[in-house]
Amino acid sequence: DIQMTQSPSSVSASVGDRITITCRASQGIGMYLAWFQQKAGKAPKSLIYAASSLQGGVPSRFSGSGSGTDFTLTIISLQPEDFATYYCQQYKTYPLAFGGGTRVEIK
Amino acid sequence: EVQLLESGGDLVQPGGSLRLSCAASGFTFSDYAMNWVRQVPGKGLEWVSSIASGDATYYADSVKGRFTISRDTSKNTMYLAMNSLRADDTAVYYCTRGKDYWGQGTLVTVSS
Repeated sequence: DIQMTQSPSSVSASVGDRITITCRASQGIGMYLAWFQQKAGKAPKSLIYAASSLQGGVPSRFSGSGSGTDFTLTIISLQPEDFATYYCQQYKTYPLAFGGGTRVEIK
Repeated sequence: EVQLLESGGDLVQPGGSLRLSCAASGFTFSDYAMNWVRQVPGKGLEWVSSIASGDATYYADSVKGRFTISRDTSKNTMYLAMNSLRADDTAVYYCTRGKDYWGQGTLVTVSS
């Protein structure tokens, strides 16, 4: 089974900051990687699929990169509505697997 | 507009059974793989089960043999039949379409 490891588990940042979240797969997954954002008390929302493709309606300050085993989610110029928890997920093979999550907090 | 609406969550005793439903609308239901993902409150996301567009099914080891995923394309509804429920099955259960849309979730609590 493929394991997904995210880092850091939490990050404190200010409005306007740039942050990068890393996701590592235990084996190669090509570009079969998605990123989700979850705000407190809400269902997750899809941000990115195929490692770097933005879902419709997602602001361009979000970007994803990587392939194989190493992936990143970057948010440039953090906005107040971006403070949330972010998860990566591999969907190359079953069982599907999520990373442990990265909580983005206000500094 | 794509919509996914889960129902069926409840309080159930250990060893009991429950069936969750996910009513889908706004897309051709049979064309998509559908998933169940769960989340213990305050914890991370855990994939539970998937049903592919061709109806192949897949399960996490933690639920294999106890949970059964299915879909009724005439009703645009996906189901998760859960048997032999345990306390560690307590979670919010989300229905998801592929890697994009999520429902609002339904809470399953397993407790005596």
